[in-house]
Amino acid sequence: DAKTTQPNSMESNEEEPVHLPCNHSTISGTDYIHWYRQLPSQGPEYVIHGLTSNVNNRMASLAIAEDRKSSTLILHRATLRDAAVYYCILYEGLRYGQNFVFGPGTRLSVLP
Amino acid sequence: GAGVSQSPRYKVAKRGQDVALRCDPISGHVSLFWYQQALGQGPEFLTYFQNEAQLDKSGLPSDRFFAERPEGSVSTLKIQRTQQEDSAVYLCASSLRLGHNEQFFGPGTRLTVL
Repeated sequence: DAKTTQPNSMESNEEEPVHLPCNHSTISGTDYIHWYRQLPSQGPEYVIHGLTSNVNNRMASLAIAEDRKSSTLILHRATLRDAAVYYCILYEGLRYGQNFVFGPGTRLSVLP
Repeated sequence: GAGVSQSPRYKVAKRGQDVALRCDPISGHVSLFWYQQALGQGPEFLTYFQNEAQLDKSGLPSDRFFAERPEGSVSTLKIQRTQQEDSAVYLCASSLRLGHNEQFFGPGTRLTVL
């Protein structure tokens, strides 16, 4: 499985934008980029995913580099509730039973 | 609507005890995954079911771990003769079908083996 690398931790002030980077230099053409986050004492929850084009939803935006070797999750206005571990995952999803391969993720702290 | 539920939320076992962890996926979800999450780490894959068929159990760490989903809905992860290294949070996730569908995770069961 292709690997991703993320910073161990990041800090942000409340109501400011946050840019969470992810490197995936060995991404293959069929890999989608998924982002999940895990709030304290909860299971991971879906944030966003994309293939080549930038994506927006109500939670966040995903900016994908033209060569697809990196991507950035953008939280437009961080709130205290956004404090979580954010996981960047490459997922082909075409094979039966393909599971997510999680790295250690980025622990985001949001300061009031 | 109801999400993925897991029970118990917390389990303390003495070393050598057998434990059973239950997962209730979202109704109608075909795919079901079990993950193990050690403290401070990301979840690691254990096993996968498509309906009642266990199609991948390559992540199960030893033959003490056993999972089943006999009717294609509720799943149970059983750990026999628990060891201290089994202490972790066990997460269950389900998704509607194969592909780039969102995986919905339960809150997990925190297992502590003394």
